[in-house]
Amino acid sequence: EDQVTQSPEALRLQEGESSSLNCSYTVSGLRGLFWYRQDPGKGPEFLFTLYSAGEEKEKERLKATLTKKESFLHITAPKPEDSATYLCAVRAEPLTGGFKTIFGAGTRLFVKA
Amino acid sequence: DGGITQSPKYLFRKEGQNVTLSCEQNLNHDAMYWYRQDPGQGLRLIYYSQIVNDFQKGDIAEGYSVSREKKESFPLTVTSAQKNPTAFYLCASSMVLRDGYTFGSGTRLTVV
Repeated sequence: EDQVTQSPEALRLQEGESSSLNCSYTVSGLRGLFWYRQDPGKGPEFLFTLYSAGEEKEKERLKATLTKKESFLHITAPKPEDSATYLCAVRAEPLTGGFKTIFGAGTRLFVKA
Repeated sequence: DGGITQSPKYLFRKEGQNVTLSCEQNLNHDAMYWYRQDPGQGLRLIYYSQIVNDFQKGDIAEGYSVSREKKESFPLTVTSAQKNPTAFYLCASSMVLRDGYTFGSGTRLTVV
């Protein structure tokens, strides 16, 4: 069964304390992995797309990496404004046709000043 | 600025009532989507549309209906057949199916 699992469910960091969020997946026909940031009561905001193992993308304090089984979102020296829920989504296109985008449940990040 | 506008932000539904959530985009995107978000769960796809006058059911389409009469608009109707409609509803769009999504700000629907 196609599945996307994010860990941890919640992460509490001190300002400046670097860490990583994990997104592990089991899908057939991977066509992309997406990271989004979601603030409370708002819609998700697109961050990155990764298409193949070994690919990396960076934006300010965030860096996303991809392997054949998982993706990491590395947060370097986080600030309180980085507090949000980070969502991972996987796009799959099975050989049988159609497409499927599966979202993980998210990691809630709290950064304390 | 281009974006997606969802309205209303909050909506209350009485038992047995149909309600319609609005979604408008000015990004010239071909594909549009409706997702439902519940606490502790990943977003679940309700319906999607790749072109005008065509749409496909997602994973949880029962109790919902959509239309795509214009490229810019993709309204979602929550019918009385949807027994557990209380949730946060998100509309999204993308240039093509393979792209990352641009999301609206969401509509929170509550049954009263």
